[in-house]
Amino acid sequence: QKEVEQNSGPLSVPEGAIASLNCTYSDRVSQSFFWYRQYSGKSPELIMSIYSNGDKEDGRFTAQLNKASQYVSLLIRDSQPSDSATYLCAVNSGNTPLVFGKGTRLSVIA
Amino acid sequence: DVKVTQSSRYLVKRTGEKVFLECVQDMDHENMFWYRQDPGLGLRLIYFSYDVKMKEKGDIPEGYSVSREKKERFSLILESASTNQTSMYLCASSFLGNTIYFGEGSWLTVV
Repeated sequence: QKEVEQNSGPLSVPEGAIASLNCTYSDRVSQSFFWYRQYSGKSPELIMSIYSNGDKEDGRFTAQLNKASQYVSLLIRDSQPSDSATYLCAVNSGNTPLVFGKGTRLSVIA
Repeated sequence: DVKVTQSSRYLVKRTGEKVFLECVQDMDHENMFWYRQDPGLGLRLIYFSYDVKMKEKGDIPEGYSVSREKKERFSLILESASTNQTSMYLCASSFLGNTIYFGEGSWLTVV
């Protein structure tokens, strides 16, 4: 059974701080990794995808991938109250549906 | 922009009723998916389809069926709704191995 693990939180950070969200996965041959943001009562929306080891930056968001450790993370710099949401990590292993973690709830305190 | 449209946003149905949830995507994606999401349980895959008239069971297919007669349309069917099927249902689509895009969700209450 392929698994994606996330700390459920809530993770509370003060406004302006860096929020660090972590995810581990069990399938060593996983190839594609995604972070989705989900506001309460809404559907998930894609924030970032990452396919290679290392860092990928997009604005205030940085995704980090370490395939050897089977670990992917999302950093949010200069966190804002509008970043308060649940963040879902998803992992793909080729010709199979994405496997989602249960999500980490982030709360940014003004 | 990718558009995945779930026609019914909020439904209230009685136990034993047959329920249809419709989903249409406009990006010519091969793959379509139905998930349900419940507090504390995360997203759970019900059924998916990689092509027209093709379907595969996900993690929780019991009590559900699907239909994909056209590439852009994927329907979820609850043959006889039960209260434990009260949930938010999410349709999604993608190209193979790529990002999936979600619809806005359908909130189903079975009474």
